[in-house]
Order: sequence, then structure tokens, then C-alpha cells
Amino acid sequence: EPEVTQTPSHQVTQMGQEVILRCVPISNHLYFYWYRQILGQKVEFLVSFYNNEISEKSEIFDDQFSVERPDGSNFTLKIRSTKLEDSAMYFCASPGTSGSNEQFFGPGTRLTVL
Amino acid sequence: QKEVEQNSGPLSVPEGAIASLNCTYSDRGSQSFFWYRQYSGKSPELIMSIYSNGDKEDGRFTAQLNKASQYVSLLIRDSQPSDSATYLCAVNGGYQKVTFGIGTKLQVIP
Repeated sequence: EPEVTQTPSHQVTQMGQEVILRCVPISNHLYFYWYRQILGQKVEFLVSFYNNEISEKSEIFDDQFSVERPDGSNFTLKIRSTKLEDSAMYFCASPGTSGSNEQFFGPGTRLTVL
Repeated sequence: QKEVEQNSGPLSVPEGAIASLNCTYSDRGSQSFFWYRQYSGKSPELIMSIYSNGDKEDGRFTAQLNKASQYVSLLIRDSQPSDSATYLCAVNGGYQKVTFGIGTKLQVIP
């Protein structure tokens, strides 16, 4: 199965700073998802993206979050003014190439807000 | 609110035994059911998907689905120490978001 890639693997930032997390999903798929996992807690859905538009977002995905597709293959998750509670692993995911709705996760970005 | 419930464990089994992991879900409209394996500090890795009632086998893994009881299970035969990880039950409808349980930590004792 093709891989989802994410950069950076670890991001440390000061509270109030902006961070941009990047992902390259499995190619040629219109669906794309961001999730996060706070240490010791469930994997939580943030936002889904379909055909260059947000299709669904959770209560967590408030105005400080935004998602973009700056070019044909990359996706970004921006957190405008980070808070301590934003410290988590952030995963992007995309369906595979088989046509099923299985979601394959990238390796994640560990965000640490100080 | 869609919920997926799992016992967080840990579930300890001896090497070579069968590990049985269970999960219930609240949304009767769920269409797709998944088991992910997550090693500490790593991302979830999809190991099984099941869409209809009954059993689905893949190597040492068997997923079981009972939609009437809203129950999903994963059996791991001939458990190995390398199977020690947290197993996440997850459900979704179509291409919608996946809702995860807290995960069951499995420890396979050599």
C-alpha cells in the first residue's frame, strides 16, 4: 500500500505561535483527513477534506485551525495561535488505492507547545 | 454522539495463545468496521476491515461483526510478543470520519 508522509516528525513551539503541519497523502484521492491524539487518549477526528473543500469538521476544529491544499499533492494543517492543550500527535490519513473507504495513517507529527 | 467502547486493558496472554479483543459501538448506521494496531509512539496501522456480519480471516487475525448486537471483535491466534501493542476499534459510515475507541493494550508474555 502506498504511504502517507508527514513533516515535520516533531515540532516544538511557544504558546501563541503559529504552526504548519504538512502531509502528502496517497496520490490521486479526493478524500483527506486530519486526526489528533493527546497522550493517553483516543484518536480524535479534526477535519475531512473532499475535492478541495472541507466536508466535515469536529468541535475541536475551531477558528484557530485551518486546512489548505497549497498545491496538487500537499495538504497543510495550520494552528494560528497555539495553546498548551494543542500538544498532541497529529495524523493525516487518506483512503488507499483499492477504492474502499479504509483510511491509512501517516507517521504523525508530534506537536509540543511550551 | 457516536461512541466506540473498548476495555482499555491491559490484556495479558501467554505466547501462542489466542487473544480476544472486543468492542461495542453506539451508532446503528455505522457501515464499516476496522481494527488498527498502534505501537507506542507510532501511528495507527490498519490490520483488518469488516463490512458485513460474520467472520473475516486474514492470516492469524479474525475479525467478527454482529450488527444486531453492535459488537465487533478481533481474535489473534498464536499470539507473538511482537503482537504486543494497543488495538484500536474504529467505525465509520462510507467516506466519513472514523470514530475510534480508546484501544485495548495487549501484552503477550513470552
